[in-house]
Amino acid sequence: GNSVTQMEGPVTLSEEAFLTINCTYTATGYPSLFWYVQYPGEGLQLLLKATKADDKGSNKGFEATYRKETTSFHLEKGSVQVSDSAVYFCALTSNTGGFKTIFGAGTRLFVKA
Amino acid sequence: DTAVSQTPKYLVTQMGNDKSIKCEQNLGHDTMYWYKQDSKKFLKIMFSYNNKELIINETVPNRFSPKSPDKAHLNLHINSLELGDSAVYFCASSQEGTETEAFFGQGTRLTVV
Repeated sequence: GNSVTQMEGPVTLSEEAFLTINCTYTATGYPSLFWYVQYPGEGLQLLLKATKADDKGSNKGFEATYRKETTSFHLEKGSVQVSDSAVYFCALTSNTGGFKTIFGAGTRLFVKA
Repeated sequence: DTAVSQTPKYLVTQMGNDKSIKCEQNLGHDTMYWYKQDSKKFLKIMFSYNNKELIINETVPNRFSPKSPDKAHLNLHINSLELGDSAVYFCASSQEGTETEAFFGQGTRLTVV
C-alpha cells in the first residue's frame, strides 16, 4: 500500500539556520504530494504542494520538489524564524482505493532565538 | 467564516460512556474525513465519506461509527469509550481529486478518564 516516511524529530535549529526535513514515499499511480504545518493547538494547514514529477511547490520561503526518480519530496527553507516552530507533515493523495490522503509521522521543529 | 468547524473543542468523559463529535464544512466539498492524532502527533485516517457515502473505513473498532446526514456534515459517534480512545480527533474536507488539499478543523481533544 501507499506510505510516507519522514525524518524523525525533534529538529532544533537556531534562527536563520538552513532547514531540511526529508520525506520519501511509496505509491502506485500518480499521487500528489503535500506539506502541511500544524502550529500548537491548531489543525493542520497546507504549506505547499506539487501535483506531478519535477514540480516545485513553494510558500513562505519553504520549497519542496517532487522527485519521482528518488520518490522524495524534501522540505527546505534557507533561513528559519522562531515563528516557524511547528510540526510539519509530509503527505500524499492518491486515488487508489478511493481518494485518500496519507500522512507521514510528523517532524517537530523548534527554532531558538 | 470558519471553513471546517467541529464541536466540541474539548471533551472529558468517563470510560464506558457514549459521545459524539460534530463536524460541518461550508466549502462545498464532496469528501470529508476523520483523522485520529495520538500523543506523539501521529495522524491516522479513520473514515472518508464522499457525497454522504462511506468510501474508506480503515481498521477502526466498530465502536466508532460515522454518520453523514448530508455532504456538509460528518459526525463521529463513539460507543463504550475506552482509555485508549484519548486523542485529538480532526475532521477534514476536500474537493474530489488527488490535486486538491484537505482543509482541517481545529480538532477535538478527547480525554477518557
